[in-house]
Amino acid sequence: KQEVTQIPAALSVPEGENLVLNCSFTDSAIYNLQWFRQDPGKGLTSLLLIQSSQREQTSGRLNASLDKSSGRSTLYIAASQPGDSATYLCAVRPGAGSYQLTFGKGTKLSVIP
Amino acid sequence: NAGVTQTPKFQVLKTGQSMTLQCAQDMNHEYMSWYRQDPGMGLRLIHYSVGAGITDQGEVPNGYNVSRSTTEDFPLRLLSAAPSQTSVYFCASGPTETNEKLFFGSGTQLSVL
Repeated sequence: KQEVTQIPAALSVPEGENLVLNCSFTDSAIYNLQWFRQDPGKGLTSLLLIQSSQREQTSGRLNASLDKSSGRSTLYIAASQPGDSATYLCAVRPGAGSYQLTFGKGTKLSVIP
Repeated sequence: NAGVTQTPKFQVLKTGQSMTLQCAQDMNHEYMSWYRQDPGMGLRLIHYSVGAGITDQGEVPNGYNVSRSTTEDFPLRLLSAAPSQTSVYFCASGPTETNEKLFFGSGTQLSVL
């Protein structure tokens, strides 16, 4: 059974720092991996989706990388801002015909002004 | 743009009561799904659908029913609520092409007393 782990569970950084969030998964046979952002009391917003054949995806100050063979993904946030404070979750899809995403429990990020 | 709309936002039930959580999307997505989010457990898939008239079970389907009569709507029914069903419920939709992002509703916080 696929397991997705995100460490640390919580992270606090001063504004302006570059930071890395980690996601690891036990079964490397994935189809894609998504990074989501969740604000308190809100739903999830998909930030980046990396296909299994890709190494990274970028959107603005966000860069997500994928190393399928080692079962790892990172989300890099450049020049962090207080508005980046949220919980970040990663989720993997096992195959093209499967719709059952496996989620990590998330990293709660606080960016201190 | 409405996106994915869930109602109600909050609900309190007594054990044994029934209710329906509503989910509607206006993006003409074939795929719709229901997740529950519990502290320390992450998000878990309850049921999903890949089109009108087609539904399937996810990881935690017991105690829940679904049907999909239209592309837009995917209601989740609790037939006899139990305290173990206290959770935050999210509806998500997306294209059936599995390398597309998912869109989430803002959630329904359900308490079963």
